[in-house]
Amino acid sequence: QLVESGGGLVQPGGSLSLSCAASGFTFSDPHMDWVRQAPGKGLEWVGRVRNKVNSYTTEYAASVKDRFTISRDDSKNSVYLQMNSLRTEDTAVYYCVKSRVGNVFDAWGRGTVVTVSS
Amino acid sequence: DIQMTQSPSAMSASVGDRVTITCRASQGISNSLAWFQQKPGKVPKPLIYAASTLQSGVPSRFSGSGSGTEFTLTISSLQPEDFATYYCLQYKSYPFTFGQGTKLEIK
Repeated sequence: QLVESGGGLVQPGGSLSLSCAASGFTFSDPHMDWVRQAPGKGLEWVGRVRNKVNSYTTEYAASVKDRFTISRDDSKNSVYLQMNSLRTEDTAVYYCVKSRVGNVFDAWGRGTVVTVSS
Repeated sequence: DIQMTQSPSAMSASVGDRVTITCRASQGISNSLAWFQQKPGKVPKPLIYAASTLQSGVPSRFSGSGSGTEFTLTISSLQPEDFATYYCLQYKSYPFTFGQGTKLEIK
């Protein structure tokens, strides 16, 4: 199970931190991703943090690179998305997603809503 | 970046129909393709990965095929619960990219 939290209303230029708490599987094994969906739009991959075997390295979409940071704490079974310099176009539902070895995006959280507006 | 183009963008069909949705990649992605189903207001549901491997619990009426740049999702006999939007995803290279979606509606 994946449960996101931390969403809310923030002004343009502001910051917000999302968390995703995991349970029911060995958290240290899979890579963890964030995917977002703007209102009425399709799915957009935001970024990934790899597992410990892969040195917790990260990848990002160009639209969020240098503004968003993904991290994880395996001791807390959690993954995080730090969002800075937020723009109105970052308004979306943000999903936490896991990819177990040999699979991809095999489990999704329910999502948390981020609204960037003045 | 690899662009993923789904066709059609929308379609209507009847219960019992055989339906095929196509996803084309702008460059070869081997079999690094997944399919997802999303109903309005709901979380995307994983259907298929590695182009043709069904996720656990997915009914066998769903199947996927393809390799390289062209892929298909087939529903062999549409059920009422299958009316939804379907997305493909390439995970061959970063950034991962989704298709724009195919909305499947009841005729």
